[in-house]
Amino acid sequence: NAGVMQNPRHLVRRRGQEARLRCSPMKGHSHVYWYRQLPEEGLKFMVYLQKENIIDESGMPKERFSAEFPKEGPSILRIQQVVRGDSAAYFCASSPAGDSQPQHFGDGTRLSIL
Amino acid sequence: AQSVAQPEDQVNVAEGNPLTVKCTYSVSGNPYLFWYVQYPNRGLQFLLKYITGDNLVKGSYGFEAEFNKSQTSFHLKKPSALVSDSALYFCAVRDILGTGKLIFGQGTTLQVKP
Repeated sequence: NAGVMQNPRHLVRRRGQEARLRCSPMKGHSHVYWYRQLPEEGLKFMVYLQKENIIDESGMPKERFSAEFPKEGPSILRIQQVVRGDSAAYFCASSPAGDSQPQHFGDGTRLSIL
Repeated sequence: AQSVAQPEDQVNVAEGNPLTVKCTYSVSGNPYLFWYVQYPNRGLQFLLKYITGDNLVKGSYGFEAEFNKSQTSFHLKKPSALVSDSALYFCAVRDILGTGKLIFGQGTTLQVKP
């Protein structure tokens, strides 16, 4: 069974560019969560999606950040006009339905802003 | 508001000795608790969970955790530490009253010395 796949593993962008982070959930998982890990900090929730629906985006910055999980293809976290403060590790997790089910994490995308 | 606290930034133990990584929580209702481990430049790996039932939960790699409702704690334990257990450990509670996101503690670095 393939785990949660994230790409790219490392992404370098200059200030003002766009960053696109991709996440393919584990087979059979319909729930996708994105978390951000800033240096020396724990993981913070950003957004929760199911196919074609954003369920909870309470952790997303109000501007420049968006997420989608289309009917076909991976989930995408998009950051427009990146700034230095966006430098972080971004993790995707997936799970089947049910609160007792653990979320399984990908290896993350490490975003560096020059 | 729901929260998780890991009071120790770092725990140091000698190989072969027992280890404990502490976690306390604050939730409304019954907690769904999880422990994850993170190795450098990797994602989080699920270790174990407490949903209901026995207060002592057994998980992967010989780890176990003890749920204590009166002390609102969920400490991670292992009878005999290995050098390979050295990593960053996260305790998390699932937001079951909301949309199921994980709320993480700040993490505890475990250092096991030979």
